[in-house]
Amino acid sequence: GAGVSQSPSNKVTEKGKDVELRCDPISGHTALYWYRQSLGQGLEFLIYFQGNSAPDKSGLPSDRFSAERTGGSVSTLTIQRTQQEDSAVYLCASSFRLYGYTFGSGTRLTVV
Amino acid sequence: ELKVEQNPLFLSMQEGKNYTIYCNYSTTSDRLYWYRQDPGKSLESLFVLLSNGAVKQEGRLMASLDTKARLSTLHITAAVHDLSATYFCAVDSNRDDKIIFGKGTRLHILP
Repeated sequence: GAGVSQSPSNKVTEKGKDVELRCDPISGHTALYWYRQSLGQGLEFLIYFQGNSAPDKSGLPSDRFSAERTGGSVSTLTIQRTQQEDSAVYLCASSFRLYGYTFGSGTRLTVV
Repeated sequence: ELKVEQNPLFLSMQEGKNYTIYCNYSTTSDRLYWYRQDPGKSLESLFVLLSNGAVKQEGRLMASLDTKARLSTLHITAAVHDLSATYFCAVDSNRDDKIIFGKGTRLHILP
């Protein structure tokens, strides 16, 4: 596709369940980012993948959060044992150096 | 650690007026981005500024970058209601290529 695709667009889950969020970046983009945006807030960096390098996980808020990127393309963000404070919009972005970052439409996660 | 500060965080202005949003950052960077976000939507890229003195304009918006002062400005000329949105600046750290966002400026333009 022409843009960054994220799925699902909305996810409601019960507290304590695990969730997986998917990001399909623009073909050829070597960098992929995950951000979290709480209601009315800015963007909180979570994790960054660049090519085949080890990911920068410095923004992950706890060990319940993990992410992987298979074959340098699709990425999955997994949240285990979800808590209500995990409720937010999770945004994925991809880039090909110096040309800016293209964001997906996000996954709105609600933990009830 | 790279920090990015925007001000103001909230701006209410009348149509036809001019105003400037400021973005300061704490460490050396040669790449700065401006994004627009409408309520409930994702981020739309507005400008990519790649060098000191870079100036870009699109319609009523003009962005500039002063890497020596670690400052970027987004200037709005003769504002119209359609420009109401939240504007984010983001800075690419020279050190680790991670982009860090400011908290955003919520712009509300009154008709």
